[in-house]
Amino acid sequence: SSELTQDPAVSVALGQTVRITCQGDSLRSFYASWYQQKPGQAPVLVMSGKDKRPSGIPDRFSGSSPGNTASLTITGAQAEDEGDYYCYSRDSSGDHVVFGGGTKLTVL
Amino acid sequence: QVQLLESGPGLVKPSQTLSLTCSVSGGSVSSGGYYWSWIRQHPGKGLECIGYVYFTGTTYYNPSLTSRLSISLDTSMNQFSLRLSSVTAADTAVYFCARGRGYSGYDDLDSWGQGTLVSV
Repeated sequence: SSELTQDPAVSVALGQTVRITCQGDSLRSFYASWYQQKPGQAPVLVMSGKDKRPSGIPDRFSGSSPGNTASLTITGAQAEDEGDYYCYSRDSSGDHVVFGGGTKLTVL
Repeated sequence: QVQLLESGPGLVKPSQTLSLTCSVSGGSVSSGGYYWSWIRQHPGKGLECIGYVYFTGTTYYNPSLTSRLSISLDTSMNQFSLRLSSVTAADTAVYFCARGRGYSGYDDLDSWGQGTLVSV
């Protein structure tokens, strides 16, 4: 089991806003980074640290990290945002890196 | 733009050793501030950190795999490698290599290989 907990699945209507969350005690000390993975492809970094978007990632993606929960928000979700999203951070000891279990995002 | 490419056998027999190499181009495995990671994904499942090696050669291994795992850096070939011994069917997965960056307060994996399926 992962020390980072994600909802298994989330859905959003096209053009609406969705928040994908990642919970864990270690997130009080460490920020999470976020990855999007589409079927048959490697994951892609979409958010790093508190709110750093890599080059090429649309500005509809944003991040926040209050308390023990990290969030990835997509404002105005598009069909191409469908996929699996994973958070990644350190565990409570700070010695180990872990992924959350992943959230499958469906855009309706 | 750094690029990573995994290579190695796609089929390994039970009890044998799984060996994969990740070739890096557009950047150096000796560059300070990075670590070089192996991640795997069992069929239909989530991502699992296997371990990583820092540019210094220092390694970190997933505690559940430590007894079977070795990750090493080859600066002359600009690549890094994974060896997982005594494999079973539970090691069947897509294996990814990735470049990691560690900052004060967070880590990220900014470049990934395409992944390679290894069946046991």
